[in-house]
Amino acid sequence: AQSVTQLGSHVSVSEGALVLLRCNYSSSVPPYLFWYVQYPNQGLQLLLKYTTGATLVKGINGFEAEFKKSETSFHLTKPSAHMSDAAEYFCAVSRYQGAQKLVFGQGTRLTINP
Amino acid sequence: NAGVTQTPKFQVLKTGQSMTLQCAQDMNHEYMSWYRQDPGMGLRLIHYSVGAGITDQGEVPNGYNVSRSTTEDFPLRLLSAAPSQTSVYFCASRYRGYNEQFFGPGTRLTVL
Repeated sequence: AQSVTQLGSHVSVSEGALVLLRCNYSSSVPPYLFWYVQYPNQGLQLLLKYTTGATLVKGINGFEAEFKKSETSFHLTKPSAHMSDAAEYFCAVSRYQGAQKLVFGQGTRLTINP
Repeated sequence: NAGVTQTPKFQVLKTGQSMTLQCAQDMNHEYMSWYRQDPGMGLRLIHYSVGAGITDQGEVPNGYNVSRSTTEDFPLRLLSAAPSQTSVYFCASRYRGYNEQFFGPGTRLTVL
């Protein structure tokens, strides 16, 4: 069975500081990995995804994530936080391209301090 | 395109009442899903459909029914609401063979 663990339910950073949101997964097969963002009172929006190929994946709004198979991690980073980045972030995994069952982590709420 | 739409946005029910949460998409996506979101638990899959007339259970199906008579619509029915079903419900859709799911804005349901 697959699972996702997001370390830290709440992360707070200052505007302009590095954002690092941690995600570790377990999977018996090579995974497909995703980060979604949820702004207040909205649905989820795809930030970026890893399927195959380059392990450093760039997404929207300046976010990127690196797939590290040896560490079973897919941490999300952004060099300089902006107030508009305040949201909840979800890491998710699926077994293969087109798999219906997307398993989500519990989410990390990011707060940006002025 | 309107994308994925959900109605209502908010709903309050009494224990034992029934209701249907509506979901529609105009992207001609084959796959549609219902998730519930609870604090500290992320999103959990309730039911999904891979096409009109085909549905299957997800991780937490008990207390919910679905049907898919058209490609566009995928309603979620609560037969007898319970306080444990208080949650935010999201509908999502995607093309077959692709992992990117498109989410609706959600329905916030409270069962008293």
